[in-house]
Amino acid sequence: GENVEQHPSTLSVQEGDSAVIKCTYSDSASNYFPWYKQELGKRPQLIIDIRSNVGEKKDQRIAVTLNKTAKHFSLHITETQPEDSAVYFCASTIQGAQKLVFGQGTRLTINP
Amino acid sequence: NAGVTQTPKFQVLKTGQSMTLQCAQDMNHEYMSWYRQDPGMGLRLIHYSVGAGITDQGEVPNGYNVSRSTTEDFPLRLLSAAPSQTSVYFCASSFSAAYEQYFGPGTRLTVT
Repeated sequence: GENVEQHPSTLSVQEGDSAVIKCTYSDSASNYFPWYKQELGKRPQLIIDIRSNVGEKKDQRIAVTLNKTAKHFSLHITETQPEDSAVYFCASTIQGAQKLVFGQGTRLTINP
Repeated sequence: NAGVTQTPKFQVLKTGQSMTLQCAQDMNHEYMSWYRQDPGMGLRLIHYSVGAGITDQGEVPNGYNVSRSTTEDFPLRLLSAAPSQTSVYFCASSFSAAYEQYFGPGTRLTVT
């Protein structure tokens, strides 16, 4: 079925290093790819998104890249800080953008 | 603006009981959705609505009903609670699936 696969499920990096989380999707008609951050006990919040007519988007220390041919997109966080520790979810629209489905999540830990 | 509100915050049910999780938004969003979050499973779409009077199934609709009589409200009904429905439930609203989703604070449901 149409789904989003996210890897890795856990990621631990040293403060100041970069972190990369990857997602693949199956619906070739998908055209919207957001990333959400969820801190412990809180609700998910959008941190960055990209649409299918763009290959890369940056916002300060975070960036997202999209490869439509390979059907994958990635979140890049540079110069990681302790407050980046959280669970990150990728998502994509399916079925003519009627639904938004999420990946399984990545628990990112920044070690001081 | 209150944004997206959910009630109750916590609920314990016995197997076989029914209940309704409430969700309301004051942003005049047409698109509303319900997700459940289980450890290691990410956010899974239960049902969604593209406008008043229109609902459709998501990835895991069995055991749940929804209705959308007004733009503001999107209640989720558990027909006969089962332990497998123990989860955290998030309601979200937006202009569409392809825009930022605004999540409510969540309802933590335990079925014994």
